[in-house]
Amino acid sequence: EAGVAQSPRYKIIEKRQSVAFWCNPISGHATLYWYQQILGQGPKLLIQFQNNGVVDDSQLPKDRFSAERLKGVDSTLKIQPAKLEDSAVYLCASSQGLGAAQYFGPGTRLTVT
Amino acid sequence: KQEVTQIPAALSVPEGENLVLNCSFTDSAIYNLQWFRQDPGKGLTSLLLIQSSQREQTSGRLNASLDKSSGRSTLYIAASQPGDSATYLCALSSGNQFYFGTGTSLTVIP
Repeated sequence: EAGVAQSPRYKIIEKRQSVAFWCNPISGHATLYWYQQILGQGPKLLIQFQNNGVVDDSQLPKDRFSAERLKGVDSTLKIQPAKLEDSAVYLCASSQGLGAAQYFGPGTRLTVT
Repeated sequence: KQEVTQIPAALSVPEGENLVLNCSFTDSAIYNLQWFRQDPGKGLTSLLLIQSSQREQTSGRLNASLDKSSGRSTLYIAASQPGDSATYLCALSSGNQFYFGTGTSLTVIP
């Protein structure tokens, strides 16, 4: 069974530029999550989708971050404009449903200079 | 708000030793608790998931327990190996919210 795929693996941008990350969850997983993990900290949930609907985005900085999962499968997370403090690893995870075990992708390491 | 704490932040043990990692949480109204390992520069690998109605789960040399009344979960690793060196994170779900601890960095010395 293929795992959660993410791209790119690494991205370096200057502040005020925009960036987008892509995630393809495990086939059949209805729930998809985006996390931000700053060095030395645990992951912080940014947004959670159930199929193509948003379940929770209370910790998503909506003035600069956006995410979508239009067809209930792949998802993209966008940052525009980026700030220095956005430097982190962005992790995507999926699960069969709410409350089920989560499976993580390898993450995208973003460096904002 | 749920707070998840993992102590110690770092742990070094000689190979072959049995060890226990701790995870504490402040609100017992949880849906499930999951233990992960994270290797440097990589994503999280799921180890064990305990539903709120369960008290423990086992997989190979790993055993995770859950005591909601005391707000604690432990991950027991038997006969530790150098390959077990990684950061171990606990995460719990409460409603639609997910909370991660900051992790315990484990080093197993050959």
